[in-house]
Amino acid sequence: AQSVTQLDSQVPVFEEAPVELRCNYSSSVSVYLFWYVQYPNQGLQLLLKYLSGSTLVKGINGFEAEFNKSQTSFHLRKPSVHISDTAEYFCAVTNSRLTSGSRLTFGEGTQLTVNP
Amino acid sequence: KAGVTQTPRYLIKTRGQQVTLSCSPISGHRSVSWYQQTPGQGLQFLFEYFSETQRNKGNFPGRFSGRQFSNSRSEMNVSTLELGDSALYLCASSLEARASYEQYFGPGTRLTVT
Repeated sequence: AQSVTQLDSQVPVFEEAPVELRCNYSSSVSVYLFWYVQYPNQGLQLLLKYLSGSTLVKGINGFEAEFNKSQTSFHLRKPSVHISDTAEYFCAVTNSRLTSGSRLTFGEGTQLTVNP
Repeated sequence: KAGVTQTPRYLIKTRGQQVTLSCSPISGHRSVSWYQQTPGQGLQFLFEYFSETQRNKGNFPGRFSGRQFSNSRSEMNVSTLELGDSALYLCASSLEARASYEQYFGPGTRLTVT
């Protein structure tokens, strides 16, 4: 079984400031990692994913994340945020075994609020 | 390509009733997963279907059931509704039932149980 902990439930920042949303995971098996964003009254949209290879993953909208296996972390970063980045962000993990399907385990979410 | 569609978008039901929610995946996608989102429990996996077969099931009571049709459309049913079933129900589709394939989420069905 896997679990995900998002260390901050709310992150307020000013526009054009850098931001980091923290995610730690726990798993006894090899995993894939994801970050999703949810805007109000909408479903989830994939920002980026780590499957294998380079530990620095670049996603949409200028976001990137770094996979750190020793610290079991997958923190999301953006060097300069915009008002439009205000949303809830979810870190998710899944078993990478081919036969395990695509069941995702999500963290509790981090509400990012970008202030002018 | 049209995205994942869910109907209805909003639903109000009374305790004890049953409800059926529908999900149409992206054309060509064969895997459909369902999630429940609540403020208290967050996002929780309900079940996953692939080629009309349930592949995975989450930790929900038997009142929650689902099925998938030959055209990959999926329905989930909740019987004997309880107040705690009030939630946003999200459907996601992907090409295959494999973790490496991106899942595309629909806008959800907001269920309110009174």
